[in-house]
Amino acid sequence: GNSVTQMEGPVTLSEEAFLTINCTYTATGYPSLFWYVQYPGEGLQLLLKATKADDKGSNKGFEATYRKETTSFHLEKGSVQVSDSAVYFCALVYNQGGKLIFGQGTELSVKP
Amino acid sequence: DGGITQSPKYLFRKEGQNVTLSCEQNLNHDAMYWYRQDPGQGLRLIYYSQIVNDFQKGDIAEGYSVSREKKESFPLTVTSAQKNPTAFYLCASSIERNQPQHFGDGTRLSIL
Repeated sequence: GNSVTQMEGPVTLSEEAFLTINCTYTATGYPSLFWYVQYPGEGLQLLLKATKADDKGSNKGFEATYRKETTSFHLEKGSVQVSDSAVYFCALVYNQGGKLIFGQGTELSVKP
Repeated sequence: DGGITQSPKYLFRKEGQNVTLSCEQNLNHDAMYWYRQDPGQGLRLIYYSQIVNDFQKGDIAEGYSVSREKKESFPLTVTSAQKNPTAFYLCASSIERNQPQHFGDGTRLSIL
């Protein structure tokens, strides 16, 4: 079946460190890929998306590239801030299907 | 501002009671969703609706019921048949099923 796997958290970084959160997926066909962010006590917010192979999604300094050959969509940021502390979810959806499939989430904690 | 409003933010249920969680959107979205989130886990789909007066079961529909009488509203009832209802419930909507979903801020349900 279709699934999304993220690296386990929590990930703890110092401010201004480089961030990578790995995400790989198992799917047939060509899904659209998303990263969502959840701040404490809140719902999820769409962070970025990519709809086809080699697309790069970017927002607020975060980037992720849709790699079909490695079925990956790793999230990166060059310099994290304390305010980036949150849980990050990788997800996919099929154009034909519509069901959003989430990874288990990766908690990021950034220390001053 | 357009968005999704979930109420209440916190809800307490006695054993054997049904409770209804409200979800209202003014984004003019056709599709709406209910998810359950448990600590340290990803989101699991309870029910979804693509259009008024139509809805489908998700992965964990047992013990829950929904209605979609209006485009803007998609209430979720947690029935007494749901044996482990304590969780964080998130409502979402999208223009169409394969488009990014917008989330409310959630309702945290606890058992007294």
